[in-house]
Amino acid sequence: NAGVTQTPKFQVLKTGQSMTLQCAQDMNHEYMSWYRQDPGMGLRLIHYSVGAGITDQGEVPNGYNVSRSTTEDFPLRLLSAAPSQTSVYFCASSLRGLTGELFFGEGSRLTVL
Amino acid sequence: QQQVKQSPQSLIVQKGGISIINCAYENTAFDYFPWYQQFPGKGPALLIAIRPDVSEKKEGRFTISFNKSAKQFSLHIMDSQPGDSATYFCAANIQGAQKLVFGQGTRLTINP
Repeated sequence: NAGVTQTPKFQVLKTGQSMTLQCAQDMNHEYMSWYRQDPGMGLRLIHYSVGAGITDQGEVPNGYNVSRSTTEDFPLRLLSAAPSQTSVYFCASSLRGLTGELFFGEGSRLTVL
Repeated sequence: QQQVKQSPQSLIVQKGGISIINCAYENTAFDYFPWYQQFPGKGPALLIAIRPDVSEKKEGRFTISFNKSAKQFSLHIMDSQPGDSATYFCAANIQGAQKLVFGQGTRLTINP
């Protein structure tokens, strides 16, 4: 099993550009989520999904879109990148929702100039 | 209030010593309290977790102490080793929700 795979690992964008961060898991987990990690602020939830076709907002959803067309994939779209979105992004999945173990990917470091 | 406050921000401990990281919360609806460990360049990984119906949980050198009345919980690392050097996050989940709230993180350094 590869676990949770995120691509790309590094990305530099210009303000106003759009892009998609990819996340795939091969553990047949129903729950998937996206977090951003910023120094001194811990991890903050952006969006999450409890199954294919179901998504909901987390703590900091503005400027991001998600969709969940399959159990395996949960892409995160930045519609018009801003410098405030410079961060490390983590995708995570869980078999039993948040009362079970969250498995994290290795992160995608995004810089917006 | 959905905040979890974690302290200290950074901690240096000598090898063999005890590392203690504290977290406090306000929302009494939190019902699950995990701790995650993160090494540089990696994603966080679950270390140990506790529910509010127990006051302590121990797994090897790692212990969670939970004080429901004070709304505080802490991670103790006994006989700390250089390999324990990492960033540690406490977290909490609201009962019935699917939103794990993380503390700010503690960078732990174990000096050999």
